[in-house]
Amino acid sequence: GAGVSQSPRYKVAKRGQDVALRCDPISGHVSLFWYQQALGQGPEFLTYFQNEAQLDKSGLPSDRFFAERPEGSVSTLKIQRTQQEDSAVYLCASSLGQGPPGELFFGEGSRLTVL
Amino acid sequence: GESVGLHLPTLSVQEGDNSIINCAYSNSASDYFIWYKQESGKGPQFIIDIRSNMDKRQGQRVTVLLNKTVKHLSLQIAATQPGDSAVYFCAERYGGSNYKLTFGKGTLLTVNP
Repeated sequence: GAGVSQSPRYKVAKRGQDVALRCDPISGHVSLFWYQQALGQGPEFLTYFQNEAQLDKSGLPSDRFFAERPEGSVSTLKIQRTQQEDSAVYLCASSLGQGPPGELFFGEGSRLTVL
Repeated sequence: GESVGLHLPTLSVQEGDNSIINCAYSNSASDYFIWYKQESGKGPQFIIDIRSNMDKRQGQRVTVLLNKTVKHLSLQIAATQPGDSAVYFCAERYGGSNYKLTFGKGTLLTVNP
């Protein structure tokens, strides 16, 4: 497709389970971002990739969160031993260049609910 | 259970009216600003951006105004339509970062037909 694709759209996990969220960015986009959006809040930065290199992971809340983009296209955000406070929408975004954000293209997000 | 209250600032307008959505940003070193529109169940969608060396920029039916003195950003939507109903976020980029955006809380715009 033409846009950023995320899967699954909805995920319900029991506390303590591991989850993996996938992002397919727009083909050819160099930059890829993960954001976390709690209910009623703006998105908060988690991590940034330039091609396969993870240049910034300062927004990851804990060492239970891990992201990768091994071939510079598809990315996976993994959350280990999920907690209730991890419940949120996880947004992936991509942009063409390596410079200023410019026009970030967001996916529709993966809504995670931890019971 | 999960609260359904968004506790967002809200703006309700009549179809055809002009809308003004305001945003106070936090960092005087921010040099780039973007407005996003987010419809329910979707990701944010780029509307318009502005750099700190400008104070006004116009797009199709939208205008962004930047007042660096008071760290204030506004989005004006002309002839608001029901399809404009959404949550609107401003985002700022700190001058020290080439890529990281910080989003504001958002404003819920409701357009009444």
